Parts: sequence; structure tokens; C-alpha cells
Amino acid sequence: AQTVTQSQPEMSVQEAETVTLSCTYDTSESDYYLFWYKQPPSRQMILVIRQEAYKQQNATENRFSVNFQKAAKSFSLKISDSQLGDAAMYFCAYRTPSGGGADGLTFGKGTHLIIQP
Amino acid sequence: DTGVSQDPRHKITKRGQNVTFRCDPISEHNRLYWYRQTLGQGPEFLTYFQNEAQLEKSRLLSDRFSAERPKGSFSTLEIQRTEQGDSAMYLCASSPGGQGLNGYTFGSGTRLTVV
Repeated sequence: AQTVTQSQPEMSVQEAETVTLSCTYDTSESDYYLFWYKQPPSRQMILVIRQEAYKQQNATENRFSVNFQKAAKSFSLKISDSQLGDAAMYFCAYRTPSGGGADGLTFGKGTHLIIQP
Repeated sequence: DTGVSQDPRHKITKRGQNVTFRCDPISEHNRLYWYRQTLGQGPEFLTYFQNEAQLEKSRLLSDRFSAERPKGSFSTLEIQRTEQGDSAMYLCASSPGGQGLNGYTFGSGTRLTVV
């Protein structure tokens, strides 16, 4: 079974600074998908960024980027120029390819990101 | 389409009662998922549907839980004989299916409190 580990229960960063959230995972698959989701206090999960395992290039979405290290099974999220609106729980998630069996997302326990003004 | 809708937002029930939650996915999404999230944890997969077919159920889904998606549109999740351990946020999500890179769109959840 796949597992996702987020080793930082809480992180704090000054507004406008850069922060990196860690995520490692365990799988025997070679093809899979990785995601970062944001869950603000309103509780609705929002997709931040996604990565296909067979793509070497790290995904980027505006101020959000990932450092995907397939051999190390690591998928960290970097948030540049942190803004107050970035404060939320961040979840790393893993998904097998559709049709390959289990279709559900496996989530880590989350990292609570605090933005200091 | 305004996204995934869940009803009710909050539900307080007495132990032993039955509860039912509803989820309306994005209309063009053929896949629908149910997750449970307890305090301080990430969401845990419960079950998913492709159209009206329930394709997978987690071991977390005990016999007291049942989910349906009768016409391949909205879905209901019923919990019979609720227990205090059932207290959690129940999240619904939908996806257009196809390639696994498609992320899910989540609803705002139903918070269940069993007293």
C-alpha cells in the first residue's frame, strides 16, 4: 500500500519570504501522480499543483513550485513570496493511474502553514 | 456549474441514529468520491463511483456505511446506528476521470458530530 508522509506538522514563515513544505511517499509503482492540496479554514480542499511521475521537469504554478525527486520518493512544495492568503493546511497526495486498481487519493497528515505579517 | 455541493454542512445526531448526506458533483464529472477527515488528519478514502457503479470501497467503510449514486449524478452516504467514532468531516469530490493527472474538485464537506 502506498503511504504519504509529511514530517512537518506546522511551519511558520514571514510574509514575502519563501517556505518549503516536505513530503515523502512510498510506492512500488513506477507511474503515478502527485498533488499538493490547500485547505483553508473554510475547509474546502483546493488543488495547488500536480506532477506526473514520468515527467522529469518540476511543475510550477505561479508562486508555487515543486522539487520532485523520484529516486528519493520526495515531493516538496516551495511557496515563494508568501502571502497572508497562503495560510492553510497543505496536504500532499498520491494517486495511481486510472484503471490501475485503487483510484483514490492517499493523503499525508498535512502541514499547517502560518504566515507572519 | 458552481462546483461540488454537499448537504447538510453540519449534522449533530445522537448515538444510534441514522444519518444521510448528499453530494452533487460537477455535472460533467463521471467519477465521485467520498472521503472522511478527522481532526488533525488528512482525508481518508472511503469509496468511489464511476457513473452509477460503485467501483471500490475502503476497509474503513464498515457494514454500517452505505453509499449510492443511483442515476450517476448525485450521491448519498448513509451511516446507520451512528457511533461517536463516526464524528468527522465527510468530504465529497468529483473528477472527470480519464488520466490520473486530473485533480479532484472537493466540496465543502459535511461535519458530523455524534453525541
